[in-house]
Amino acid sequence: DIQMTQSPSTLSASVGDRVTITCRASQSISDWLAWYQQKPGKAPNLLIYRASNLESGVPSRFGGSGSGTEFTLTISSLQPDDFATYYCQQYYSFWTFGRGTKVEVK
Amino acid sequence: EVQLVESGGGLVQPGGSLRLSCAASGFTFSNYAMMWVRQAPGKGLEWVSGISGSGGSTYNVDSVKGRFTISRDNSKNTLFLQMNSLRAEDTAVYYCAKLMGYASGTYLDYWGQGTLVTVSS
Repeated sequence: DIQMTQSPSTLSASVGDRVTITCRASQSISDWLAWYQQKPGKAPNLLIYRASNLESGVPSRFGGSGSGTEFTLTISSLQPDDFATYYCQQYYSFWTFGRGTKVEVK
Repeated sequence: EVQLVESGGGLVQPGGSLRLSCAASGFTFSNYAMMWVRQAPGKGLEWVSGISGSGGSTYNVDSVKGRFTISRDNSKNTLFLQMNSLRAEDTAVYYCAKLMGYASGTYLDYWGQGTLVTVSS
């Protein structure tokens, strides 16, 4: 099974900050990686697919990069609506989610 | 507009059974694979079961093999999850989700609001 390791587990930041979340796969998954945002009590929402493709309707301050085993999600300028938990997910071999990164107010 | 509406959650005793349903609308249901994803209280996401567009292929995480069965009725645009021999560790919110493609190897582009399953005596 492919394991996904996300870091950090919690990130404290302020509005306007540049935020970077890292996801590492236990083996190469090419670019078969997605990122989701989840707010408390709500379903996850797709942000990025195929490692770097922005889902329609997602603000351009979100960006994804990486291939193979190392991936990053970047928020270029954190907005109040962005405080949430973020998950990476591989879909190279079945599906595996990372454990999540909670972005909280500093 | 794509809509996924789950139902069937509730409180069940250990060893009991429950059947979840997910009513889909806003897209050609039979053209897309579907999945159940769960989230235990305060925990992360875990895929549980997936099914191809035709229903001919199914996928289950090891922890539910032999206990959970995913199925679909394409004539009624509905996804199901039959859960048997339930355990306390199955307690979670169960989300129905649409995959972007017909079979496995793709990501989840739409999610339902979730239904809570609580396994407790």
